[in-house]
Amino acid sequence: QKEVEQDPGPLSVPEGAIVSLNCTYSNSAFQYFMWYRQYSRKGPELLMYTYSSGNKEDGRFTAQVDKSSKYISLFIRDSQPSDSATYLCASLSGGYNKLIFGAGTRLAVHP
Amino acid sequence: KAGVTQTPRYLIKTRGQQVTLSCSPISGHRSVSWYQQTPGQGLQFLFEYFSETQRNKGNFPGRFSGRQFSNSRSEMNVSTLELGDSALYLCASSRTDGTPYEQYFGPGTRLTVT
Repeated sequence: QKEVEQDPGPLSVPEGAIVSLNCTYSNSAFQYFMWYRQYSRKGPELLMYTYSSGNKEDGRFTAQVDKSSKYISLFIRDSQPSDSATYLCASLSGGYNKLIFGAGTRLAVHP
Repeated sequence: KAGVTQTPRYLIKTRGQQVTLSCSPISGHRSVSWYQQTPGQGLQFLFEYFSETQRNKGNFPGRFSGRQFSNSRSEMNVSTLELGDSALYLCASSRTDGTPYEQYFGPGTRLTVT
């Protein structure tokens, strides 16, 4: 079993839809959780991070962590075609910058 | 502020050869991490360097090695290349002097082994 599980999709939604992306993790020691966005032929770009449980909002994006169920979510409101990309969840494993990534979910937002 | 740069961007090598990839972190960032990205395994951590010392290592064979220089630039080396080493190699830099260790990725080096 991978430490961070993520459905690879693909996920296709119409412009303006609310998108929900989800991951689960198995290591209860994980404290920091990140979401990265990766466009084709580019490196991952950090979208946002959360520490422990709770919500964090940044514009159209909301990250949510539920440590009791080991569930990580990213919500995108009013999705745009420019949001079409692969979204990767990740958790910081122990110290020293070792990120454990999910498989990534490919999202397509069509006009 | 310039981002993380990686050279070369594309590389084609033959099985059995060795290869060296280079990464220049964001100015002021002292930690450099390396990741391998493949369609089958996704993004996997290779190793992390800080102040010229390897602090953390992933589950890769000893053919994968790296180093960091005093200016924080880093190189990774893969010896005796195998077909399965074909991947996108990404480096990421971070400041490490605060939380939550935000890592910023470069565009990657796409390595093809034939």
